[in-house]
Amino acid sequence: GAGVSQSPSNKVTEKGKDVELRCDPISGHTALYWYRQSLGQGLEFLIYFQGNSAPDKSGLPSDRFSAERTGGSVSTLTIQRTQQEDSAVYLCASSSQGVEKLFFGSGTQLSVL
Amino acid sequence: EDQVTQSPEALRLQEGESSSLNCSYTVSGLRGLFWYRQDPGKGPEFLFTLYSAGEEKEKERLKATLTKKESFLHITAPKPEDSATYLCAVRVTGGGNKLTFGTGTQLKVEL
Repeated sequence: GAGVSQSPSNKVTEKGKDVELRCDPISGHTALYWYRQSLGQGLEFLIYFQGNSAPDKSGLPSDRFSAERTGGSVSTLTIQRTQQEDSAVYLCASSSQGVEKLFFGSGTQLSVL
Repeated sequence: EDQVTQSPEALRLQEGESSSLNCSYTVSGLRGLFWYRQDPGKGPEFLFTLYSAGEEKEKERLKATLTKKESFLHITAPKPEDSATYLCAVRVTGGGNKLTFGTGTQLKVEL
C-alpha cells in the first residue's frame, strides 16, 4: 500500500516568505508527527496529532511555525516569514500505534535563501 | 535534560566484518529505546523497540541489545546493502508521545 507522502519534495524560498508543507499519512493512521532534520543534528520533534485530541505543540521553535490536520488525515505545516535557520528537511510520520512504530515520509527539503 | 549520544559518527567496514554501533542515553526515565535506519534522501525506517535492560531483538544480520545506560546495534557479516545511517531514539517518562533522537552513525560497507 501507499506510504506517507510529502509534498513538495524540495522547496526553495526567499527569506521572509511564507511556506506550506503537506503530509498525507497512511490511511487509517491516527497519529501524525512532524520532525525537522538539520545537517549534523538529530531529528527534532515539532508537533504531534492524535485523533481528535488537542495537538502537542511543545516542539514548535517559534510562533512563526504552525500546523493543522484536517479531517484526521492530511496535515499542513506552515512557516511564516521564513529565516535562513529554517533551512532543513521536514519529515512527517504517521502511526497506528502512537509513538511505538513510526512510518516516515521522504521529507521536504526546505532551502531559505 | 534528556540526552542521546551515538558513536562512532561514521564507520567503514569490509563486507563480512562484524561490528557494533553504540547509543548511550541519559534520561529521567526510559519508556522505550528505538532503532531506525535511514537511507540517503529517505525518511527513517523502523527497526526495533527495546523496553527493559537485558532485552534483545534480532532481524536478519542485526541484533539490538539494551542495558540501563546504553544500547548496541550489532551487525553480523554485513553486506553493502546494510550501508545507511542508523538512528537511535528514546521515549522518556513525562515526555509524552515524542521521541528524542541521536545524531546517528553513518555506516558504509564495502566489497
